[in-house]
Amino acid sequence: GDQVEQSPSALSLHEGTGSALRCNFTTTMRAVQWFRKNSRGSLINLFYLASGTKENGRLKSAFDSKERYSTLHIRDAQLEDSGTYFCAAAHANSGTYQRFGTGTKLQVVP
Amino acid sequence: DTTVKQNPRYKLARVGKPVNLICSQTMNHDTMYWYQKKPNQAPKLLLFYYDKILNREADTFEKFQSSRPNNSFCSLYIGSAGLEYSAMYLCASSRIGQYEQYFGPGTRLTVL
Repeated sequence: GDQVEQSPSALSLHEGTGSALRCNFTTTMRAVQWFRKNSRGSLINLFYLASGTKENGRLKSAFDSKERYSTLHIRDAQLEDSGTYFCAAAHANSGTYQRFGTGTKLQVVP
Repeated sequence: DTTVKQNPRYKLARVGKPVNLICSQTMNHDTMYWYQKKPNQAPKLLLFYYDKILNREADTFEKFQSSRPNNSFCSLYIGSAGLEYSAMYLCASSRIGQYEQYFGPGTRLTVL
């Protein structure tokens, strides 16, 4: 079954507001990575976490392996934040590869 | 340099013809991955090399081949392209014991 459940699938935010994206895991994961898909379709690294939280500008991510979830918080959303965000997580026993969530399509509106 | 390079960036192929995509990285990463990305879908892992060992996903086992002649290069080969192969192909690499992946810019394959 699916190991990475990402929500919401779509999100609309007004400029200046914030929200959180979430990934739930059906099993224990070693680490999580958050990406944003750019206009060309490639994946840009946002965060990589093996535990705890990281913050970069208006973005903040948290990962709790024991509780099996990770979040990506966006605050003071800007129009250029619009795009599709993916989480990916490495299974504790799977070796080297990660499984991706299905993505969150974020639209920031004026 | 944390760059993963992919060539070509765009590829047009005819149905039934072979396709070869190239990926390279100079980070001395042990593991290199190939993903297929279609619109509104999550990236799908096709295969990955850990050092010289190739691991292919069960449902793509017969559709994709790969080679890794040295640590820096990895190719993805489609023997006979079908319309369903049209997608973005993303290469990534990581270091053993670290799950952080670095992605290349992708190759957009269109099969006609």
